Amino acid sequence: ELKVEQNPLFLSMQEGKNYTIYCNYSTTSDRLYWYRQDPGKSLESLFVLLSNGAVKQEGRLMASLDTKARLSTLHITAAVHDLSATYFCAVALGGKTSGSRLTFGEGTQLTVNP
Amino acid sequence: DAGITQSPRHKVTETGTPVTLRCHQTENHRYMYWYRQDPGHGLRLIHYSYGVKDTDKGEVSDGYSVSRSKTEDFLLTLESATSSQTSVYFCAISESVLPTTDTQYFGPGTRLTVL
Repeated sequence: ELKVEQNPLFLSMQEGKNYTIYCNYSTTSDRLYWYRQDPGKSLESLFVLLSNGAVKQEGRLMASLDTKARLSTLHITAAVHDLSATYFCAVALGGKTSGSRLTFGEGTQLTVNP
Repeated sequence: DAGITQSPRHKVTETGTPVTLRCHQTENHRYMYWYRQDPGHGLRLIHYSYGVKDTDKGEVSDGYSVSRSKTEDFLLTLESATSSQTSVYFCAISESVLPTTDTQYFGPGTRLTVL
C-alpha cells in the first residue's frame, strides 16, 4: 500500500522568510505532483515531477524530486501573504491504459503572516 | 481552467437515501476520477474511469458505485447514504496516462452532508 506523508502539516511563517515542505512516499513511482488549494476552493496543479533530480520553479515556489530517497520538497522563497493556502503532494501509481491513480498526502496548511 | 462542472454543488440528505453526483467535462478527456476530501486524510480515490463503460475501484469504494455512459459524464452514486459519507467530493479528469499529459485537473467540488 502506497503511503504519502507530508510535513509539517501546519506552517506559520513570516513574510520574507524561506521554508521547505517535505513529502515522503513509500513505493517507487515515476511521477509526483504538487497541488495548491485555497479555502473552500478546488485544487490547482502547480508542478509535475517526472524523474530523479527533476526541479521545477514557478515564482517563489520550487519543487524537486529525489526518487532514490522517495522524497520531494517544495521550497518557498521570500514568502508573501498570497502564498497562504494548503499544499498537497500526490504520487501516481498505475498508468498504462487504466489511468494514474493518485495517493495524496494530508496536506500542509501554510499561513504567511505580515 | 479545464472545463469541468459538478452538480449539485451542495446537498443535504438523510441517512439511507440514494444520492447521485454528476461530473461533466467539455475537454473530451478519456480518464475521469472521483475523490473525497476529509480533514486529516487529504484526498482519497473512490472510483475512476478509463473510458466509456470502463471503471474500476479506488481506495475507498465501499458504499459507492459509478457509471460512465458518455465520455463527458461520470456519475457517482451513494446507494444508501450514511453519515460517514459526509464529505467534499471532487471529480478530476486527465487527458492520457503518458507522463507528460496525465496531470489531473479538478472540478469545483460538491459538499455533501448526510444527516
